[in-house]
Amino acid sequence: SAVISQKPSRDICQRGTSLTIQCQVDSQVTMMFWYRQQPGQSLTLIATANQGSEATYESGFVIDKFPISRPNLTFSTLTVSNMSPEDSSIYLCSVPSAATSGSTDTQYFGPGTRLTVL
Amino acid sequence: GNSVTQMEGPVTLSEEAFLTINCTYTATGYPSLFWYVQYPGEGLQLLLKATKADDKGSNKGFEATYRKETTSFHLEKGSVQVSDSAVYFCALINDYKLSFGAGTTVTVRA
Repeated sequence: SAVISQKPSRDICQRGTSLTIQCQVDSQVTMMFWYRQQPGQSLTLIATANQGSEATYESGFVIDKFPISRPNLTFSTLTVSNMSPEDSSIYLCSVPSAATSGSTDTQYFGPGTRLTVL
Repeated sequence: GNSVTQMEGPVTLSEEAFLTINCTYTATGYPSLFWYVQYPGEGLQLLLKATKADDKGSNKGFEATYRKETTSFHLEKGSVQVSDSAVYFCALINDYKLSFGAGTTVTVRA
C-alpha cells in the first residue's frame, strides 16, 4: 500500500481564517480523495482531486469553501476557508491502492488532520 | 444510490468474548466491501475486504463474508482482546467513492 502523509497533523484556528492541509503520497496516483470526519461521526467524501483538471465536489461541498489543488501525481492540498466552529473535524486524504486501480479497488488513508476552530 | 447501515454502538465486551457487528448495504452495480478500523488516537486502517459475492475477508482473527443475497457484510471475531478496542467502520466502494457506515465503538475489558 502507498505511504501517505499529511500536514499539519493538528491545528487550532480562529473563526474567519483559512487553513491549507497538505497530502503527500510516495507513489504516483491518478486520483486523490478528501474526506471529512466530524466529531463522533462517520466519514463523508468532500471531493475527488484529479491531476490536471478541476476537483469534483460532492453534494453539500463547494469550491469556494474547500478549494483543492492537485499540482502533480503525488501531492494535493485542501483549504478550509473562512472557518467556523462547525468546520472542526478530522480531514483525511485517501488514494487507491495502485496507479492502475479499478473503480472498486481498495483505498488507503492518510493519518488525518485534526482541526479545531474556536 | 449507495449506503451502508451499521449496528449502533457502543459495544462493551469482556476479553475472549465473541464479537459480531452487523452491516448491511444498498448499492448499484458490484461494489467491493470493507471493514476499516480506527484505534484510539490513530488514523483509519483497512482491516479486511471482499471484492465479490461469497468472498470471505479475514485479518487479525476477524472475518466477514460478502453476502449478496442478504446484502450484508457482518464482522465477526471469536475471541476479542483488549487491543481490539477501537471504532469499526463498514464501507463499500463504487466508482472510486467510499460510502461509510456510522461506525461502531467497541470496548474490550480485561
